[in-house]
Amino acid sequence: NAGVTQTPKFQVLKTGQSMTLQCAQDMNHNSMYWYRQDPGMGLRLIYYSASEGTTDKGEVPNGYNVSRLNKREFSLRLESAAPSQTSVYFCASSEMSRGNQPQHFGDGTRLSIL
Amino acid sequence: GENVEQHPSTLSVQEGDSAVIKCTYSDSASNYFPWYKQELGKGPQLIIDIRSNVGEKKDQRIAVTLNKTAKHFSLHITETQPEDSAVYFCAASNFGNEKLTFGTGTRLTIIP
Repeated sequence: NAGVTQTPKFQVLKTGQSMTLQCAQDMNHNSMYWYRQDPGMGLRLIYYSASEGTTDKGEVPNGYNVSRLNKREFSLRLESAAPSQTSVYFCASSEMSRGNQPQHFGDGTRLSIL
Repeated sequence: GENVEQHPSTLSVQEGDSAVIKCTYSDSASNYFPWYKQELGKGPQLIIDIRSNVGEKKDQRIAVTLNKTAKHFSLHITETQPEDSAVYFCAASNFGNEKLTFGTGTRLTIIP
């Protein structure tokens, strides 16, 4: 079972460059999420998609955009990367958007902005 | 919004001993409390969760307890093994909230 697959695994960017992080899940889940993980700060929600065709802001959305391409895929875009966006990014999915559902995580994208 | 505090931030225990990690939450409406284990270079993996209609749940060497009155919940790992070394996160949410709020994590080290 692949579960949640994220690409790329590692990326180095220069300040001002743009890139898209890809996420796909094969569990037929309705809801998908993007988090960033920084030392000592746990996981912070950037954006989420409760169902295909909908997206909503999380705790730290500034500097990011998302696209729910279809039920399987949810991408995160950095339009103009900044050093403060250096982080590990995790995608997750859950069966439903209601808060009491387990979330399943990918293995992350490690992003460095120089 | 919900705020989840987790303690301690680091914990070292001898192999075979028990480990306890504690979390407190602020929103009395929260009713779902999962625990995640994150190994180096991997994403968080759900290891156990509890809903507010029960006070304790066990799965082999892992147990979670919930005290709704005090708004805290704890992870208990018994007979610890080297493979238990990882970072553990607690989280909280409620049925009407589409988001999980995570604690800041506990780095558990098992000393052989």
